[in-house]
Amino acid sequence: DSGVTQTPKHLITATGQRVTLRCSPRSGDLSVYWYQQSLDQGLQFLIQYYNGEERAKGNILERFSAQQFPDLHSELNLSSLELGDSALYFCASSVSEGVRSNEQFFGPGTRLTVL
Amino acid sequence: GEDVEQSLFLSVREGDSSVINCTYTDSSSTYLYWYKQEPGAGLQLLTYIFSNMDMKQDQRLTVLLNKKDKHLSLRIADTQTGDSAIYFCAEDLSGGSYIPTFGRGTSLIVHP
Repeated sequence: DSGVTQTPKHLITATGQRVTLRCSPRSGDLSVYWYQQSLDQGLQFLIQYYNGEERAKGNILERFSAQQFPDLHSELNLSSLELGDSALYFCASSVSEGVRSNEQFFGPGTRLTVL
Repeated sequence: GEDVEQSLFLSVREGDSSVINCTYTDSSSTYLYWYKQEPGAGLQLLTYIFSNMDMKQDQRLTVLLNKKDKHLSLRIADTQTGDSAIYFCAEDLSGGSYIPTFGRGTSLIVHP
């Protein structure tokens, strides 16, 4: 158990809908990272937050948004969902602002299926 | 992930060394990472190397970086069945932040 929790584990929804994925980092970790893993796109880094502020932005679509709250949990909002958004969404956390040690811990992921 | 290339599969016998290769196209990459994903599981950051290094060793893992050829490799010594997983190489072009671009992953199969 990495200490990073993600809810829900599975989510099935329809095209055009909006969903929110939630991530709770390990206790004491200030950074949260979001990744998407799909058959088509492979593994992609989406976005990073550190202590409530956006720190790095990867291949995140405009239909997607994220935030990190004062209690350090993070939410990834996906709107106007398309079939191609079906993927496994991972969250990770680390104590530092950057990934410069092996101390990055991943959650089990949320599997999103868009029908 | 088009900028980072990896072969899709590697099969080795238990106890042998595994070498997983990766090529990247941007010479300005600052950090290069190796991640591991076990079947049905999440990701794990295995190791990373800064672009001014040639080699990094961490227990059974050795990372070699050839900047001239833009080639990165991960050597696993004494490969065990528990090493069976998908290994992702990633390059980071952000120059100080963390914005990795991943390869498609290499499936390592270790057989007895």
